[in-house]
Amino acid sequence: DAGITQSPRHKVTETGTPVTLRCHQTENHRYMYWYRQDPGHGLRLIHYSYGVKDTDKGEVSDGYSVSRSKTEDFLLTLESATSSQTSVYFCAISDLGAGADTQYFGPGTRLTVL
Amino acid sequence: SQKIEQNSEALNIQEGKTATLTCNYTNYSPAYLQWYRQDPGRGPVFLLLIRENEKEKRKERLKVTFDTTLKQSLFHITASQPADSATYLCALAQNTGNQFYFGTGTSLTVIP
Repeated sequence: DAGITQSPRHKVTETGTPVTLRCHQTENHRYMYWYRQDPGHGLRLIHYSYGVKDTDKGEVSDGYSVSRSKTEDFLLTLESATSSQTSVYFCAISDLGAGADTQYFGPGTRLTVL
Repeated sequence: SQKIEQNSEALNIQEGKTATLTCNYTNYSPAYLQWYRQDPGRGPVFLLLIRENEKEKRKERLKVTFDTTLKQSLFHITASQPADSATYLCALAQNTGNQFYFGTGTSLTVIP
């Protein structure tokens, strides 16, 4: 998985609790992304980062925040988890961030919000 | 509204045949189109990229076409093998911005 790890790999939590997912890369790529994947919707971008402390929203950013204090780490936080945030979350990285660049995906985190 | 549609039904083909998967898009102007493979429980893996000014791209048994007039990309796997069984995703990227937009994927099963 191109030097990308995600933690935890599985998590079950309750509605209203905060949750933080971590993505760690060893490739020194500039761009990092958080996606969620749901049946019938495909992969949808939540937030992405184009450098340390530089982030931007994706198409489904409501209810999520991100932080990137180091090149290698990108954190996704659900401030108050809801059942609609039950999903599989993928982190991805790319070097150039443009459409001609390959994205490398992590193994995913399966989150269940009860 | 913007849409990216892939074969709605799962695709089952016999080993050795050519599998053809479609990706149609609406209200996008992609400069790049990528295809990914995803196995159950794993993240997508990049396969091929084609640019808007390219008609066709090949890599080993894989071929991608891109028709910006029809707003469609076709993805072909020739001499298919059971190991090709997976879900295949298309993704678009426009000239501006850093976002990729993914289709819902097509599940392919190659029957021995």
